[in-house]
Amino acid sequence: SQQGEEDPQALSIQEGENATMNCSYKTSINNLQWYRQNSGRGLVHLILIRSNEREKHSGRLRVTLDTSKKSSSLLITASRAADTASYFCATSYSSGSARQLTFGSGTQLTVLP
Amino acid sequence: EPEVTQTPSHQVTQMGQEVILRCVPISNHLYFYWYRQILGQKVEFLVSFYNNEISEKSEIFDDQFSVERPDGSNFTLKIRSTKLEDSAMYFCASSRERRGGELFFGEGSRLTVL
Repeated sequence: SQQGEEDPQALSIQEGENATMNCSYKTSINNLQWYRQNSGRGLVHLILIRSNEREKHSGRLRVTLDTSKKSSSLLITASRAADTASYFCATSYSSGSARQLTFGSGTQLTVLP
Repeated sequence: EPEVTQTPSHQVTQMGQEVILRCVPISNHLYFYWYRQILGQKVEFLVSFYNNEISEKSEIFDDQFSVERPDGSNFTLKIRSTKLEDSAMYFCASSRERRGGELFFGEGSRLTVL
């Protein structure tokens, strides 16, 4: 299976702390994306990192990609209570048609005020 | 800011009934998708659609499912004879890119099959 798998499944931190979530996948990818989902809502795209990139930043988000280990991490710095949500990695195959993204099972992040 | 809209937000139906879920993708997007998420589980791909035809579909997308773009704006998912296990959140998404670019998701339609 191509699916990314996140760990931890759940993470609880205090406001102001950093949150790190990891994603592993199995086959070669074109890119890897991170999405956020508030409870009962749609998914919101956070950041995309291409297979030839190693690190990317967007605001308080930092994503790394290690294609040799087939893994990625999402770091949220200076977390806020509003960051409480589920975070999913999603992988796009390196070959294929108008292809879907394949989502992992997600990390439920709780940021305590 | 343009967004993907879905209707209804929640539908309750009896097993065996037909259901149509509707989506209006972002207007300049060309690639459309349906995903589903059973409560507490992963977001699963159902089908992708481009140029008025299915590009790819998953094993979940069997003969009970169909998609259509009946006019220039709507994109629909039909389930012909619903089963209990079809209860899930169904998400429509659209994108500009073909090869796994950023997806823009709607807020979802929650389907409850009794």
